[in-house]
Amino acid sequence: GAVVSQHPSRVICKSGTSVKIECRSLDFQATTMFWYRQFPKKSLMLMATSNEGSKATYEQGVEKDKFLINHASLTLSTLTVTSAHPEDSSFYICSAGRDRTSGVHYNEQFFGPGTRLTVL
Amino acid sequence: GDSVTQMEGPVTLSEEAFLTINCTYTATGYPSLFWYVQYPGEGLQLLLKATKADDKGSNKGFEATYRKETTSFHLEKGSVQVSDSAVYFCALTSIYGNNRLAFGKGNQVVVIP
Repeated sequence: GAVVSQHPSRVICKSGTSVKIECRSLDFQATTMFWYRQFPKKSLMLMATSNEGSKATYEQGVEKDKFLINHASLTLSTLTVTSAHPEDSSFYICSAGRDRTSGVHYNEQFFGPGTRLTVL
Repeated sequence: GDSVTQMEGPVTLSEEAFLTINCTYTATGYPSLFWYVQYPGEGLQLLLKATKADDKGSNKGFEATYRKETTSFHLEKGSVQVSDSAVYFCALTSIYGNNRLAFGKGNQVVVIP
């Protein structure tokens, strides 16, 4: 199967600090990774789409200078929440998609377990 | 744009009851349809999927059939267990959308012993 990990699973930080969340595809090459934010009792909100080696595409209303995304390799994408504030507290989930040339499951996304961010 | 609509509100039912969660969609072309499940404090897991009309996805006793004529993908399970308590999301992806998923709002399912 396709496994995606996230680290850390939970982080508590002070207001004004920056937090980095890692998303790794453990057993496949992920040409595309997605970052979601989930509010309590709400659905997932897509924040951005990142393709390996290129700049991320952000959804409308998401501040790209606030949420820095880097997809430097086919197995790793990072989300950095810069100068975090309490309103950034949320559950952040990443997912990874396979390249079409992989054949099987190319239209699927495989989700990480999520990272709970709490900003004090 | 592509969108998914799930029935409003949480679903509470007794163990061994029949579960149905409605899902309808709007999309261009021929989307692939998915049901994801999220257990408390965890990420999403793919429950089942269907990639073309009349396909039936099934897993762990859950089933959903891709109905193009009614643009629906309703989730059903004949006899739920307490361990099925979770949030269920219907989603679609279009071949035109770079594999982006459009999610429904999700339904909290609570199964009471």
